Order: sequence, then structure tokens, then C-alpha cells
Amino acid sequence: ILNVEQSPQSLHVQEGDSTNFTCSFPSSNFYALHWYRWETAKSPEALFVMTLNGDEKKKGRISATLNTKEGYSYLYIKGSQPEDSATYLCALQGSNYKLTFGKGTLLTVNP
Amino acid sequence: SAVISQKPSRDICQRGTSLTIQCQVDSQVTMMFWYRQQPGQSLTLIATANQGSEATYESGFVIDKFPISRPNLTFSTLTVSNLSPEDSSIYLCSVQAGNQPQHFGDGTRLSIL
Repeated sequence: ILNVEQSPQSLHVQEGDSTNFTCSFPSSNFYALHWYRWETAKSPEALFVMTLNGDEKKKGRISATLNTKEGYSYLYIKGSQPEDSATYLCALQGSNYKLTFGKGTLLTVNP
Repeated sequence: SAVISQKPSRDICQRGTSLTIQCQVDSQVTMMFWYRQQPGQSLTLIATANQGSEATYESGFVIDKFPISRPNLTFSTLTVSNLSPEDSSIYLCSVQAGNQPQHFGDGTRLSIL
């Protein structure tokens, strides 16, 4: 059984602030770690897929790191914009591509 | 990436009735999944929809409550039967194409009166 914890549960930042949140997992027995962005009334959008300890991925102002030895992944957003407001989901991929999700971090960026 | 059409986008249903959710994909995909997110909870896998055979259900989910059809490689339905307030959730279908990240539909927001 894969367990995924995300923190904080919610976060309010001002436009222009940089922020980060955490996905932690007690076991590294998974095939990949996924980050998704989920805006209200839309489908979850894949941000990153990470597989190796030390992986770092970047897409524009958003980046992520993976540390399987210590059991965490960080998602960073540099210079937050109101359009970054969404729920950010972390998921572990087990066998047969099944995903186990955390509860997410709800980010609100105030203009 | 695959384009997924999920219907309905939302519904309000009476207790004891059933709702069928449809998921149509614009290309053939081997693996389709159904997820549920109850209020305040994580997105949770209900089952894997297998083409031409019975769905594979996760622990805590049963076929009588969540019957699934997968008649071909582009279409699947999830029925939520005998609705109760605890079934108020967002239901999502997703597809897995090769080693790409899973791609999701827009979801069905279900409320039970």
C-alpha cells in the first residue's frame, strides 16, 4: 500500500512571491512520482513525472525535485501569478500504472 | 495527448437512484481508469476498466455498487448505483497511453439530495 502525504493543505501567497510545497512518502517502492495541477471545473493537468533519486524537472516558473532516500518531493513556483491558483496533487505510480494520490495543496495567489 | 469527453459534467440525483457517467476518448487506449474524490479526501482509484472483460476493482469498491462497462478501446461507462449522500463526489475517468502521464477527463460533479 502506497501512502502519500502533502503539506501544507492550503497556502495563500501574494502575486510575485515564490513558494514551495511538499509531498512525502514513507516507502520508495513505486515506479514514478507524478505532480498534477488541478483547476476547478477542469481536468488534472500533468506537470512532471519523476523516477530517479535526485531528479529535477522544470517547466517555466515551476520546478520539482525528488529525494527517494529521504522520502520527499518538493514543488517550487517562482514568482507566483494568480493563474497559478489551483490544487497541486502528488501521486505515486504503482504496478499496472495505478496512481495513489495525496490530498493535494490548494494554492491561492492574491493579485 | 488523447482528448477525453466525460459526461455529464455535473448532476444532482435523488437517493436510491443510479447515475451513469460516460467517458469517450478520441483514440484507442488500452488502459482506462475510474477515480473518485469525496469532499476533503484524496483522489482514489475505483477500478481499472478492461476492454472485453470485467473491471478490476480496488479494495473497498464492488461491482454491484460501481458497475463498469468497456465495450471497446475508446469508450467506458461507470454507473454509481443506489445513490446515497456518501456518493456525493467528483468522478474522473483517465487513460494511460504508453509511458505518458495519465490523462484525465474534466470530471463529473455529483450531488445527492
